[in-house]
Amino acid sequence: DGGITQSPKYLFRKEGQNVTLSCEQNLNHDAMYWYRQDPGQGLRLIYYSQIVNDFQKGDIAEGYSVSREKKESFPLTVTSAQKNPTAFYLCASSIAAANTGELFFGEGSRLTVL
Amino acid sequence: EDQVTQSPEALRLQEGESSSLNCSYTVSGLRGLFWYRQDPGKGPEFLFTLYSAGEEKEKERLKATLTKKESFLHITAPKPEDSATYLCAVQATGNKLIFGAGTRLAVHP
Repeated sequence: DGGITQSPKYLFRKEGQNVTLSCEQNLNHDAMYWYRQDPGQGLRLIYYSQIVNDFQKGDIAEGYSVSREKKESFPLTVTSAQKNPTAFYLCASSIAAANTGELFFGEGSRLTVL
Repeated sequence: EDQVTQSPEALRLQEGESSSLNCSYTVSGLRGLFWYRQDPGKGPEFLFTLYSAGEEKEKERLKATLTKKESFLHITAPKPEDSATYLCAVQATGNKLIFGAGTRLAVHP
């Protein structure tokens, strides 16, 4: 079955640590995205990539980094510079960047800072 | 400033009690409006795309409509399995996607 796989589902981080969230898709989609979801707020875009080896900052990129070395993979690193990283992180993809409204989402990764 | 507001924040219905969720928006150059369903602890699932005022889309007990200022998600005779958070998103000029905070729907038997 085609889809998006995020791992891990739950992750705990100590202060000062970097953590990496995995996102893999087998939908052959060109565009991939990382969103952050906090209670009572709409999804906020962290980073997006329209093509391999290229990515752009979203609205809240500070304290995060990404890479897009393969079409199928778009990992997100939450660095120690992110001051409030506890949140639910969602990876998504779309057929092409022009179809940015019709997104396929993964199951999410919940990050908690201890 | 582009903005998407969903109301109510939470809605409790009895099974079979029809109602509507609202998504109002102020954006420059609407390119599309999207509805998603999100179950607790899961990623959102795409439901509908609406492009122009007057357009309607239906899926089972759900019907989405669009005007120049807002969209409604009508739920007819809901069942407990319709319980979820419903998200609205608007695509503005430049392809930016703006999400509302969602409406949490609980349908009780």
